[in-house]
Amino acid sequence: AQSVTQLGSHVSVSEGALVLLRCNYSSSVPPYLFWYVQYPNQGLQLLLKYTTGATLVKGINGFEAEFKKSETSFHLTKPSAHMSDAAEYFCAVLDGGTSYGKLTFGQGTILTVHP
Amino acid sequence: GAVVSQHPSWVICKSGTSVKIECRSLDFQATTMFWYRQFPKQSLMLMATSNEGSKATYEQGVEKDKFLINHASLTLSTLTVTSAHPEDSSFYICSARDFGSYEQYFGPGTRLTVT
Repeated sequence: AQSVTQLGSHVSVSEGALVLLRCNYSSSVPPYLFWYVQYPNQGLQLLLKYTTGATLVKGINGFEAEFKKSETSFHLTKPSAHMSDAAEYFCAVLDGGTSYGKLTFGQGTILTVHP
Repeated sequence: GAVVSQHPSWVICKSGTSVKIECRSLDFQATTMFWYRQFPKQSLMLMATSNEGSKATYEQGVEKDKFLINHASLTLSTLTVTSAHPEDSSFYICSARDFGSYEQYFGPGTRLTVT
């Protein structure tokens, strides 16, 4: 079974500082990996995804993530945090094989941005 | 493109009553829809997967007689919570996927409160 671990349920940064949200996964097949953002009482918005090809993927709002197979990681970064980045972030892996299409989510990381 | 809507966005009902939540794909045909529930400060948990015209596949531990899912058309799936109880209070999110696509598009969620 696939699994996703997000290290740190809460991350706090100052406005303008680097944002680093960690995600590690386990998968028996080449994974498709996703980062989503959720604002309070809203659904999920896709930030970025990795399927194949270039391991550094860029997403919306200045976020990017790097797929590192050797470390089974897909950490999310943003060089300079903005107040509007405060939200909850979920890393997810897409199952392959017979359960194609099922997303497995990490526990989520709440990002707080201080002025 | 790829917009998914949910209705209602929030609902309050009395214990013992049934509540129906609609999930619609507005600009694509959703051959597969997924239903998730999310408790406060927790991640999304997949409840069931439904394919148009077929019976839904429920995840382990989800009561199929309590959470009735119907996916009668390529743009509409419904989740009916039957004989709701306070412990069913949660945030319910649907997602939809087009045939041959791996990517899921999420609805804005429905907040259910059972009193």
